[in-house]
Amino acid sequence: EIVLTQSPGTLSLSPGEGATLSCRASQSVSSSSLAWYQQKPGQAPRLLIYGASSRATGIPDRFTGSGSGTDFTLTISRLEPEDFAVYYCQQYGGSPLYTFGQGTKLEIK
Amino acid sequence: EVHLLESGGGLVQPGGSLRLSCAASGFTFSSYGMSWVRQAPGKGLEWVSAMNGGGTSTYYVDSVKDRFTISRDKSKNTLYLQMNSLRAEDTAIYYCAKRGAVTGPGWFDSWGQGALVTVSS
Repeated sequence: EIVLTQSPGTLSLSPGEGATLSCRASQSVSSSSLAWYQQKPGQAPRLLIYGASSRATGIPDRFTGSGSGTDFTLTISRLEPEDFAVYYCQQYGGSPLYTFGQGTKLEIK
Repeated sequence: EVHLLESGGGLVQPGGSLRLSCAASGFTFSSYGMSWVRQAPGKGLEWVSAMNGGGTSTYYVDSVKDRFTISRDKSKNTLYLQMNSLRAEDTAIYYCAKRGAVTGPGWFDSWGQGALVTVSS
C-alpha cells in the first residue's frame, strides 16, 4: 500500500504570502498519477492539479504543482483570502486503488 | 456542465443496511469510471469503491469488502452504493466522484455535494 504523508499538518500564513505544501509517498509514484484537491468547510473537494503539474479547468495560475518519484509539492503564490482551506494530495494505482494524504490545513495567520 | 447528486443517506443502526444513489448528468455516463469517497466527521478523505465506465470491474478498500457493493444503471445515469452490515466507523459523508479521464491514471474532476450516513443505535 502506498501511503501519502502531507506536511505540514497546519500552515499559518497571511494573504499575499506564498505557501509550499508537501506530499511524500512511501514508494515511487508515477507523476501522471498524482493529484491535488482543495476543500473548504461544508463543501466537496475541488480538483486543483492532476498529473502532478497540470492545472484543472478554471484553476488560477497562482497554483503550481511539481515533483516526481516520492516528493511532490503544491505551491500557492500570493495567497488570496479564498485560498485558506484544507489541501489533499491523492495518488492512483496499486492497492487500494486510490489513496489520499491526511491533508494540510492552510489557515490565516 | 457535470452534475452529481447523491441521495439515500440517513441514520441507521449498527448491522443495518442503506443504499446510496448518485444521479449523474452533463457527461457520457457510460464512458467514465466513478467512485465513492467518504469523509468521517472532522477527518480526511478515504476512497471507498470504484467501478469502471462499462460496469465490468469493481474495486473496494479492504475495510468495506464483502459489505459494500457498487453498481451503476446506464439507463438511469445513476451510480449506487449498497452498504450492508454497517458499523459505527462507517459514519461519514459519502461523496460520488467522477473520474477525470476515460482511461489512464485516475483523478476526480467532479464531485457531488455528499450524503451523510450516520450509524448509531
